[in-house]
Amino acid sequence: SQQGEEDPQALSIQEGENATMNCSYKTSINNLQWYRQNSGRGLVHLILIRSNEREKHSGRLRVTLDTSKKSSSLLITASRAADTASYFCATSRFNYGQNFVFGPGTRLSVLP
Amino acid sequence: NAGVTQTPKFRVLKTGQSMTLLCAQDMNHEYMYWYRQDPGMGLRLIHYSVGEGTTAKGEVPDGYNVSRLKKQNFLLGLESAAPSQTSVYFCASSYSIGLAGEYNEQFFGPGTRLTVL
Repeated sequence: SQQGEEDPQALSIQEGENATMNCSYKTSINNLQWYRQNSGRGLVHLILIRSNEREKHSGRLRVTLDTSKKSSSLLITASRAADTASYFCATSRFNYGQNFVFGPGTRLSVLP
Repeated sequence: NAGVTQTPKFRVLKTGQSMTLLCAQDMNHEYMYWYRQDPGMGLRLIHYSVGEGTTAKGEVPDGYNVSRLKKQNFLLGLESAAPSQTSVYFCASSYSIGLAGEYNEQFFGPGTRLTVL
């Protein structure tokens, strides 16, 4: 089973609204990363949050991490049409042979 | 800097044919990775390399081989392609893991879309 699971699978909002997507994971991690993928392109790293951090900001992005609930959220404020993309969380785990695992992603559509 | 590049961008194979996908990075990264992406599945790790001359299996290694003869290049080979290998393949690279085993930011190539008939 996958370590990271994003929720919702798809999200459609109007330009200017905020978008929130969530990621849940199963085992202990040392960091969690969010990536964006525009249609037909490679993934681009957005933000990394370490297990000892609770919140992190980068421009219009706000990421939270709750290790007790094994969950993270990505908030995009004042969304733009250019934010339309798929968003993936990836978890870095301790002491596993294959310890960097991506979730299936959330597809965000921002309507003008 | 070009970052991570992949060749080819598209390829169509017949069942049983072989091919090699090339990944190159100019960031002097130690770690390199090959993923496949299928609809609704996210990315799954095929093989990875922690340095020149070393490779290791990921989550879905069967049917693929890799080589890392030079630090900047990571090759993915399909010896006998099967329709189940139809996918989009991404290469990525990163600095080596941290002291606590944490993975750093990965830099991705643009992908190779492979169709096996």
